[in-house]
Amino acid sequence: QVLLVQSAAEVKNPGASVKVSCKAPANTFTIYAMHWVRQAPGQRLEWMGWIFPGTGKIQYSQKFQGRVTITADTFASTVYMELTSLRSEDTAVFYCATGANYYYDSWGQGTLVTVSS
Amino acid sequence: QSALTQPASVSESPGQSITISCTGTSSDVGAYNYVSWYQQYPGKAPKVIIFDVTSRPSGVSNRFSGSKSGNTASLTISGLQVEDEAHYYCFSYTSSSAPWVFGGGTKLTVL
Repeated sequence: QVLLVQSAAEVKNPGASVKVSCKAPANTFTIYAMHWVRQAPGQRLEWMGWIFPGTGKIQYSQKFQGRVTITADTFASTVYMELTSLRSEDTAVFYCATGANYYYDSWGQGTLVTVSS
Repeated sequence: QSALTQPASVSESPGQSITISCTGTSSDVGAYNYVSWYQQYPGKAPKVIIFDVTSRPSGVSNRFSGSKSGNTASLTISGLQVEDEAHYYCFSYTSSSAPWVFGGGTKLTVL
């Protein structure tokens, strides 16, 4: 398990963009893939996309394709998730999560993004 | 990619056992032994309790067990305790365009 530290909660207007960060330990940053998961209030977990900082490979869920961009800053050992064209339905907690294999043994604390005018 | 199908809610008495199902397709649950289960309390991040269908991380109670048959994975919790009351999500690798998919989640009530 590794400690993942996410950025603070944000409040955004509809149509705006939000960029959430997730800092990981430097010694594991290029070894594991980092995933982003969305959870709207009272709703299920939704997989958004992932990035493998070691190779730069990125993949997005079709649901968010075109609105989400995941990037990695190797020097800062930080992954970012930017979501554009925000609407009220995007109000949610966003988690980063990682693991050595096909499951997540480490999660960030979550970042609440509220979209409201 | 549609969510894996789980019952929305289940309930059972303390000390009893319960099984939560997670039904997918031959492209996800049926195709790979990469099903994991997560326990989530309100306001908290999920925690893995089963990975690779049947494996349990160190520190997780042996009251939790996983299995799979065809396109359906299952989580069984034996000797239910009040603290098991939480939401449970299954998660699988899939050969679809979005290579990962969660289940719809199941709220377990221990009463």
